[in-house]
Amino acid sequence: GESVGLHLPTLSVQEGDNSIINCAYSNSASDYFIWYKQESGKGPQFIIDIRSNMDKRQGQRVTVLLNKTVKHLSLQIAATQPGDSAVYFCAENFSGGYQKVTFGTGTKLQVIP
Amino acid sequence: GAVVSQHPSWVICKSGTSVKIECRSLDFQATTMFWYRQFPKQSLMLMATSNEGSKATYEQGVEKDKFLINHASLTLSTLTVTSAHPEDSSFYICSAREAGGYQETQYFGPGTRLLVL
Repeated sequence: GESVGLHLPTLSVQEGDNSIINCAYSNSASDYFIWYKQESGKGPQFIIDIRSNMDKRQGQRVTVLLNKTVKHLSLQIAATQPGDSAVYFCAENFSGGYQKVTFGTGTKLQVIP
Repeated sequence: GAVVSQHPSWVICKSGTSVKIECRSLDFQATTMFWYRQFPKQSLMLMATSNEGSKATYEQGVEKDKFLINHASLTLSTLTVTSAHPEDSSFYICSAREAGGYQETQYFGPGTRLLVL
């Protein structure tokens, strides 16, 4: 389940199950969204992106859903594996403005073998 | 794929000294590089944006005289933490945007962990 407290929100999932990581973004003008995976002590790794003219995009084992009405983004990971254990960040970008990417707070995914 | 490197990967220094961190795009030219700071269990916070050949643009609350950024070439940006103090201890991550590529695509470096004693 999920927990929020002094640490990063954590999602614990059994190996083989599907994971859903949620993110609320802040800027209604943002038109490009990215999900990153960050393993301990490493830089962020690109997973998948989506533009605001789409509401769903699929990659290999991952799907991103975008709901602009409520400014919500989700990342679905199918058949979660131990190697998926990491912190996941959503990020938003407004291409018409300053072109900088703003990161969300992050969710720690723990895969239970 | 596009690779960004950082050097050093970790550094320990005494309080009051200056530390320089390098960010290099290895197989592409980067017109824009970004510097982020990340404290434990927190998200990445953008510190500044550097464009090759011009002054960096700093985010609100980031002291430009303390965090000196130089982007002298299309493959190298440096961040110098001047007169470092223990509160500057953090994980510093750079990213680079490829010249002529998708404007939104950023490639991240592996990060540099700084510990100030």
